[in-house]
Amino acid sequence: QKEVEQNSGPLSVPEGAIASLNCTYSDRGSQSFFWYRQYSGKSPELIMFIYSNGDKEDGRFTAQLNKASQYVSLLIRDSQPSDSATYLCAVNPGGTSYGKLTFGQGTILTVHP
Amino acid sequence: SAVISQKPSRDICQRGTSLTIQCQVDSQVTMMFWYRQQPGQSLTLIATANQGSEATYESGFVIDKFPISRPNLTFSTLTVSNMSPEDSSIYLCSVGDGTYEQYFGPGTRLTVT
Repeated sequence: QKEVEQNSGPLSVPEGAIASLNCTYSDRGSQSFFWYRQYSGKSPELIMFIYSNGDKEDGRFTAQLNKASQYVSLLIRDSQPSDSATYLCAVNPGGTSYGKLTFGQGTILTVHP
Repeated sequence: SAVISQKPSRDICQRGTSLTIQCQVDSQVTMMFWYRQQPGQSLTLIATANQGSEATYESGFVIDKFPISRPNLTFSTLTVSNMSPEDSSIYLCSVGDGTYEQYFGPGTRLTVT
């Protein structure tokens, strides 16, 4: 079983729609969760992190965490073509492994005009 | 966030040779990590670069193949030794200051022929 799982996509949404990206993780003790965006040929860029159950909003982005279900999601409102990229979910197990990130395989998002 | 630079940005090397990649940060950071991203894949943690002591390697990665140095809080090197075509990847350093946020350098694209 993979430690961090994402739908590889591609996920295609029209401009202006809401894009919903999902991630599940296997380590119940994981403490913090990250969403990175990676454009082709570029390094990952941190979008958001979340460590408490519930929602966290930053502009057009909302991260949602449900530790009981071991599930984290990212919603992108009013999607733009510039949001087209690979979105990577990453999990930090915490404790003695603090800072180490385990990544999912990424979801390719395409926003079409 | 810290400004991170890597050298070289890309290189083409012959099998059996070694390449040393440098990671420089514009401010002191608590944590530095090295990741590998193989073609079409997600990121895999190679090791944690510990300042003034031996690096901590993840399962599947060994010091003889990937020696790492971290002489101070702003600089680290990763050497890819005795390279084979399977080592062709993007190598990324990441830094964290002890909070939840972790940022990536621009990466080094390595091709082994």
